[in-house]
Amino acid sequence: GQSLEQPSEVTAVEGAIVQINCTYQTSGFYGLSWYQQHDGGAPTFLSYNALDGLEETGRFSSFLSRSDSYGYLLLQELQMKDSASYFCAVQTGANNLFFGTGTRLTVIP
Amino acid sequence: DGGITQSPKYLFRKEGQNVTLSCEQNLNHDAMYWYRQDPGQGLRLIYYSQIVNDFQKGDIAEGYSVSREKKESFPLTVTSAQKNPTAFYLCASSSDSTEAFFGQGTRLTVV
Repeated sequence: GQSLEQPSEVTAVEGAIVQINCTYQTSGFYGLSWYQQHDGGAPTFLSYNALDGLEETGRFSSFLSRSDSYGYLLLQELQMKDSASYFCAVQTGANNLFFGTGTRLTVIP
Repeated sequence: DGGITQSPKYLFRKEGQNVTLSCEQNLNHDAMYWYRQDPGQGLRLIYYSQIVNDFQKGDIAEGYSVSREKKESFPLTVTSAQKNPTAFYLCASSSDSTEAFFGQGTRLTVV
């Protein structure tokens, strides 16, 4: 089976940096991706890591350590619009995608 | 414009009825997925399909059925066997699972 663990809630101040962690146990592993979902909306893709290391896309960065079965999403210069749920997802096969339970990020002034 | 479309946006079902949720994509993606999301919860996989005429059960397939007769379409039927169907249903497609594209969802309520 598959399991992905993320913190359920995180609160951070506008302008600060926040890190959302994800640990996984899966029967196969191709890569780890991150999605953002605002209330009532559809998840949208943020990043994908197949290899160890840090991937940077603007204010967002994502990290993967395959040996530790661990990854994180780093959000810098937080803005109020970043308040949303963030999901990690593991690609376990060529076309198999399993999601974590999500982390609700609240950005406060 | 390419994208993935779900319909209807809101759906009401009487107890004991089957209902079908539509999902259509024109992205030429091979893989399609159905997820269920309950309030404040994550996405749980119901069914997925990697190619036409083939699909596999996800973690919570009981009470649901799907078909994949065309590459563009992956409808989900919520049957009367699904005892707690009220939820937000999301359809997604992907070319290789490194990036999935989601529809805007269907909110199903049992009345």
